[in-house]
Amino acid sequence: EDQVTQSPEALRLQEGESSSLNCSYTVSGLRGLFWYRQDPGKGPEFLFTLYSAGEEKEKERLKATLTKKESFLHITAPKPEDSATYLCAVHSQGGATNKLIFGTGTLLAVQP
Amino acid sequence: KAGVTQTPRYLIKTRGQQVTLSCSPISGHRSVSWYQQTPGQGLQFLFEYFSETQRNKGNFPGRFSGRQFSNSRSEMNVSTLELGDSALYLCASSSALRGGLNTQYFGPGTRLTVL
Repeated sequence: EDQVTQSPEALRLQEGESSSLNCSYTVSGLRGLFWYRQDPGKGPEFLFTLYSAGEEKEKERLKATLTKKESFLHITAPKPEDSATYLCAVHSQGGATNKLIFGTGTLLAVQP
Repeated sequence: KAGVTQTPRYLIKTRGQQVTLSCSPISGHRSVSWYQQTPGQGLQFLFEYFSETQRNKGNFPGRFSGRQFSNSRSEMNVSTLELGDSALYLCASSSALRGGLNTQYFGPGTRLTVL
């Protein structure tokens, strides 16, 4: 059964203190791995899509990487506005469908 | 381009009632997926519609149903509401062509509370 596990569940950082969030997955053929950011009371906001091991993508203070078993979201010199829940999701092979399997997220709090 | 819109944003219902939620996808997007988000289970896939046809369905009881119209707008219906149906219901749209992999963009969600 396809599965996505995110760690840690919660992370508290000081402003400027870099860290990484982990997303490990078990799927029957990965077609794509997605990172989303979700603020309280809002829908998830798309950040990145990664398709194959070794791929990396960057956006401002965020950098996502992908291996055959896991993905990391690196946050460099975070600011308080980076506080949010970060969600990882996978799209596995299995026909023409857009079904995403989500992890339970990492709640990030960045203190000034 | 306008984003995904969902109405209503908030709903309060009592057990046994039914509810209909609406989703308007991004213009030009033909795929609409629905997810249920709860603190305990996270985001769980309900179903996906593409060109008015249900393409996939998650592990939810038959009380959960949906449909898509010719303009790609979608509705989901929950009948005989239970307390456990209280959740944030999220709609996501993508431009997915049949067999393709495209990014899903989410709406703000409808917060359903069942009393």
